[in-house]
Amino acid sequence: GQSLEQPSEVTAVEGAIVQINCTYQTSGFYGLSWYQQHDGGAPTFLSYNALDGLEETGRFSSFLSRSDSYGYLLLQELQMKDSASYFCAPRQTGANNLFFGTGTRLTVIP
Amino acid sequence: DTGVSQNPRHKITKRGQNVTFRCDPISEHNRLYWYRQTLGQGPEFLTYFQNEAQLEKSRLLSDRFSAERPKGSFSTLEIQRTEQGDSAMYLCASSGIQGGTGGYEQYFGPGTRLTVT
Repeated sequence: GQSLEQPSEVTAVEGAIVQINCTYQTSGFYGLSWYQQHDGGAPTFLSYNALDGLEETGRFSSFLSRSDSYGYLLLQELQMKDSASYFCAPRQTGANNLFFGTGTRLTVIP
Repeated sequence: DTGVSQNPRHKITKRGQNVTFRCDPISEHNRLYWYRQTLGQGPEFLTYFQNEAQLEKSRLLSDRFSAERPKGSFSTLEIQRTEQGDSAMYLCASSGIQGGTGGYEQYFGPGTRLTVT
């Protein structure tokens, strides 16, 4: 089976840094993707980690520790437009789909 | 390249009716996925196609649901004898080789919102 744990809600101030944690349990593991979804919109791909360590893409960074079954998404210089739901999505070995949990709703306040 | 498109965007139907949704993936993508999303939840995987072959189906895909991708391009998802519990957003996604092994980078369409009354 699979399970995911993310905080359900996070609130942060514009210009600040926020970290969204994700712990997962899968039977076999390929890597961890992160997606952003604005209200009423479609999920959009942010980043992917297959190996341990930090991947940086502009203001967003994602980290993975395979031994701890743990990852996080780091958002820097928060902007109001970053208010959205964020999903971590692990991919199991042998599976062709992504597993999304309930996600983290980020609210950026002025 | 205009991205993944889905039609219709909204569908209201009465319980017991059949509905069909269409997804047009990004043209060079050979992998296509269907997901279902309800309010406050993340997308739940329904089924996966590689070219025209349906390679994976979730246990969520009851026998009232059927999906096809006849020529390896567009796909349809049909729900027969709809139930109120089928009300959800139905999302289609596609990925290609650049999306990595297993399609970790998927491009989602805008979805079809189904309301069953």
